[in-house]
Amino acid sequence: EAQVTQNPRYLITVTGKKLTVTCSQNMNHEYMSWYRQDPGLGLRQIYYSMNVEVTDKGDVPEGYKVSRKEKRNFPLILESPSPNQTSLYFCASSKQGFTGELFFGEGSRLTVL
Amino acid sequence: RKEVEQDPGPFNVPEGATVAFNCTYSNSASQSFFWYRQDCRKEPKLLMSVYSSGNEDGRFTAQLNRASQYISLLIRDSKLSDSATYLCAVVGNNRKLIWGLGTSLAVNP
Repeated sequence: EAQVTQNPRYLITVTGKKLTVTCSQNMNHEYMSWYRQDPGLGLRQIYYSMNVEVTDKGDVPEGYKVSRKEKRNFPLILESPSPNQTSLYFCASSKQGFTGELFFGEGSRLTVL
Repeated sequence: RKEVEQDPGPFNVPEGATVAFNCTYSNSASQSFFWYRQDCRKEPKLLMSVYSSGNEDGRFTAQLNRASQYISLLIRDSKLSDSATYLCAVVGNNRKLIWGLGTSLAVNP
């Protein structure tokens, strides 16, 4: 089954404790992206990757890191989480570069205390 | 002015009704347009791409009006299962996808 898988789906952590949200897709998609979604602000792009070893900042990259060492995986790293990073996070992928037709993971709800 | 704007609603309609949403965009150079559906606290799912000639998929019809810079989504014969938030997305400059905040639809029995 074609899918984008994120883990963990739910996480409560404390300020400053490094965490990684994993994202994996099994569709051989070139393009992958991370979004956060907050009430009243909608979907905002954090980082994106056009292909392996190619990553770029989105609209709200501060406090986040990403890597794309393999085509299927695109982890999101919060080196020192803060309460303003409490949000719903989505990983998405798209075939053959960027088309605007995105497949989303189920989301990861993160709470930073 | 926001780059992509949607009426947040909620739109409350009875089953069987026809309902339409618009989404306006500010960049006249925008090339690609999409409607996504998002159920509460779940991931967005692509509903339709919007082509210049318009397109139809069952009860759903999407249209593009370049002159007035908006896209529309028409849902005929609404079902309870159509209740969701409908997000529009526009590919603007630098191939960046810009999202609206969504329109909430509640279909009532």
